[in-house]
Amino acid sequence: GIQVEQSPPDLILQEGANSTLRCNFSDSVNNLQWFHQNPWGQLINLFYIPSGTKQNGRLSATTVATERYSLLYISSSQTTDSGVYFCAVGSRQGGSEKLVFGKGTKLTVNP
Amino acid sequence: DTGVSQNPRHKITKRGQNVTFRCDPISEHNRLYWYRQTLGQGPEFLTYFQNEAQLEKSRLLSDRFSAERPKGSFSTLEIQRTEQGDSAMYLCASRWAQNTEAFFGQGTRLTVV
Repeated sequence: GIQVEQSPPDLILQEGANSTLRCNFSDSVNNLQWFHQNPWGQLINLFYIPSGTKQNGRLSATTVATERYSLLYISSSQTTDSGVYFCAVGSRQGGSEKLVFGKGTKLTVNP
Repeated sequence: DTGVSQNPRHKITKRGQNVTFRCDPISEHNRLYWYRQTLGQGPEFLTYFQNEAQLEKSRLLSDRFSAERPKGSFSTLEIQRTEQGDSAMYLCASRWAQNTEAFFGQGTRLTVV
């Protein structure tokens, strides 16, 4: 099945810094979502972005489907950005409806 | 609509007991998914319903697990004869169609003691 690899696994920043999180996937996709998991475990939707570029405030994302990767940019980071960021993809192959998640990037933003 | 709702939020049970979780999806969504997440890992797919039909099951879904969506609205996930390895966060998601955005509930955190 499709493999999803996220990097880096851990990231520590000072408040105000910018960061880039990467998601590589092994096959063509028809779905790609970025989530932020809060300390209580809920997955918060950031972007639905199977291709192209989107921006929402300090966050933006780009997916280059032909090269099988997606990037999540966080600018002017805040302590509330801390948490785990997940990329999840749906494969075009095999007809499965499931989303396959990476292992996440744990972001810590220090004041 | 307030989003996907899961109950209970937390459940502590003794090994060998049966537990049942409930998921209420976003009302206009006909697709409902169950995932399991263990510490330090991303969520893993368990099963998927389109309306009341269970169309896909993961190999993770052992015969002690059963899921239903009897009227195509809410869903239940039952674990029989719980084991310590079943301790995890169980997440439910829903969406309108395959190539649309999925939304997750708050999850049910199960602890088997």
